[in-house]
Amino acid sequence: QVQLVQSGAEVKKPGASVKVSCKASGYTFTGYYIHWVRQAPGQGLEWMGWVNPDTGTTKYAQKFQGRVTMTRDTPITTGYMQLSRLTSDDTAVYYCARIQRGGSGLDPWGQGTLVTVSS
Amino acid sequence: QSALTQPRSVSGSPGQSVTISCTGTSSDVGGYHYVSWYQEHPGKAPKVMIYDVSKRPSGVPDRFSGSKSGNTASLTISGLQAEDEADYYCFSYTGTYTSWVFGGGTKLTVL
Repeated sequence: QVQLVQSGAEVKKPGASVKVSCKASGYTFTGYYIHWVRQAPGQGLEWMGWVNPDTGTTKYAQKFQGRVTMTRDTPITTGYMQLSRLTSDDTAVYYCARIQRGGSGLDPWGQGTLVTVSS
Repeated sequence: QSALTQPRSVSGSPGQSVTISCTGTSSDVGGYHYVSWYQEHPGKAPKVMIYDVSKRPSGVPDRFSGSKSGNTASLTISGLQAEDEADYYCFSYTGTYTSWVFGGGTKLTVL
């Protein structure tokens, strides 16, 4: 079945970087964009950006421009989201999700990766 | 990009209907047919309930429906059930920065 499996929880110090992976299976990896979404504790969902697994093209939310990098490794059908210069405000669960071709539905979602930023 | 506007909370009794609104602008909700809705239970990943304004994925009960009028999209849940109690988020494409944006989220309480 179509599935996205993310890497495990991370604890980082302020100023560090984190890289979260998203392993896709059950479909043609290069056929669907991967979006990244985060959710801080007790807060709502926040869109971060997307990567086109076929071309590597990316689009980032303005808020994260210059601090986020989304990449993919096509042979191993895995997407990555790297966030640098972390602060405590970046403590959140980070999700990857596949978006429908030509549509607006994010499905499926990864299980989420908790990133904790603490000194 | 500001989040789309949703009511912080709504409530209803079992069997009743509730509607959750999602208000944006002509640059996002009003300008495109790319609005989707997500249900999120505590500790779980979000689940798509409606996509492209009014389409329902297979497996989602037909009690869930979506619509749009002008710059406001709506999710209606009829025949409320206890398991519908969750947070709901709308999500729209926006042409302002050719990006996407979520609503602030709505907590649905089934009384």
